[in-house]
Amino acid sequence: SQKIEQNSEALNIQEGKTATLTCNYTNYSPAYLQWYRQDPGRGPVFLLLIRENEKEKRKERLKVTFDTTLKQSLFHITASQPADSATYLCAMSDAGNMLTFGGGTRLMVKP
Amino acid sequence: KAGVTQTPRYLIKTRGQQVTLSCSPISGHRSVSWYQQTPGQGLQFLFEYFSETQRNKGNFPGRFSGRQFSNSRSEMNVSTLELGDSALYLCASSLGGSRGGRTDTQYFGPGTRLTVL
Repeated sequence: SQKIEQNSEALNIQEGKTATLTCNYTNYSPAYLQWYRQDPGRGPVFLLLIRENEKEKRKERLKVTFDTTLKQSLFHITASQPADSATYLCAMSDAGNMLTFGGGTRLMVKP
Repeated sequence: KAGVTQTPRYLIKTRGQQVTLSCSPISGHRSVSWYQQTPGQGLQFLFEYFSETQRNKGNFPGRFSGRQFSNSRSEMNVSTLELGDSALYLCASSLGGSRGGRTDTQYFGPGTRLTVL
């Protein structure tokens, strides 16, 4: 069955460092991969979308890579700040707006 | 532009009851999707409506149903509630688009927290 896996353990890093979050998938050939941020008690907020024919996408301090051979996406936040603390979700879509989400990784950035 | 709004924000029901949740999308958005979020299963897709028609459906029992009105507002209904239906129900809207919305940015509402006792 299709599976999207993110590290369920929280990632703790120091302010100013680069945070790297991993998203692995199996039995799936997504056309698009998206990353969302979710704060407690709120709905997810869209961050970045990367297509299967793109290797890398950047937006300000965020960078996403998509390796269809390794079946993996990496999400980087450079110069991390305490305000970046949240749960980050990766999601994949190969049919319309039907997104399949990973379990999310909680990021804690300490000052 | 106002964001996606969901009502009510919190709801407590008992087993066997039914519940209706409401979602108002961003003005101009024609696609509305519903998701269930639980600690154990994470975020799971329920269904998507576009121009009053169900366009995609997730793997949930028939007790979960929805509809969309001509103004794109959507409602979701759960009948014969079970304890396991306790969850955060999220609605997301997007433009929709002629390609089935595959690259649409989805905007999520704050969710409705449903507790079934």
